[in-house]
Amino acid sequence: GAGVSQSPSNKVTEKGKDVELRCDPISGHTALYWYRQSLGQGLEFLIYFQGNSAPDKSGLPSDRFSAERTGGSVSTLTIQRTQQEDSAVYLCASSLMSSGGWNEQFFGPGTRLTVL
Amino acid sequence: GNSVTQMEGPVTLSEEAFLTINCTYTATGYPSLFWYVQYPGEGLQLLLKATKADDKGSNKGFEATYRKETTSFHLEKGSVQVSDSAVYFCALSDGGATNKLIFGTGTLLAVQP
Repeated sequence: GAGVSQSPSNKVTEKGKDVELRCDPISGHTALYWYRQSLGQGLEFLIYFQGNSAPDKSGLPSDRFSAERTGGSVSTLTIQRTQQEDSAVYLCASSLMSSGGWNEQFFGPGTRLTVL
Repeated sequence: GNSVTQMEGPVTLSEEAFLTINCTYTATGYPSLFWYVQYPGEGLQLLLKATKADDKGSNKGFEATYRKETTSFHLEKGSVQVSDSAVYFCALSDGGATNKLIFGTGTLLAVQP
């Protein structure tokens, strides 16, 4: 079956430009997460969606970062006025909440963002 | 807040050597503990997990035991292979409302033939 997919796989942009990163979770997974993997900060949580709402945005590093999810499926992470410190691999993960509790998070391959 | 500390890498071993990667955590309550692995050029994937104290997670010859008394979840393998070369991440989740993962910094393992 299809796993979590992300696009683009690589994105090079100039400082000050806006970028959009896309995540397609596993079909039926209600929970969706964005993480960032960077040299200086390791792997850090950014935002969590349950359905279309985001009850935990505590990891977003600044107000230049925003995300939305539509139809309980696809999510878009938008970074406005990119800075060089935004360069990182952005990972998306999805999971299913069942009667037995939380299940494994499945990760996508990531989008490598380079800000020049 | 919750945090995970794991040993710095890189760890370089010869094939068939014994592997230990240390991981300790700080958390309130009773977190679930995980080891994730990232092979070269691939995405992050779950290697093993343990959800309560004294549980042992195991997969592909790797093992880790949830030790509440020492707040540790060390990863071990008795005989590593070249194909085990990867970055290993220790992580915890408090379950709760979001189940978000808190990761350690990752440990690069290089196994030489």
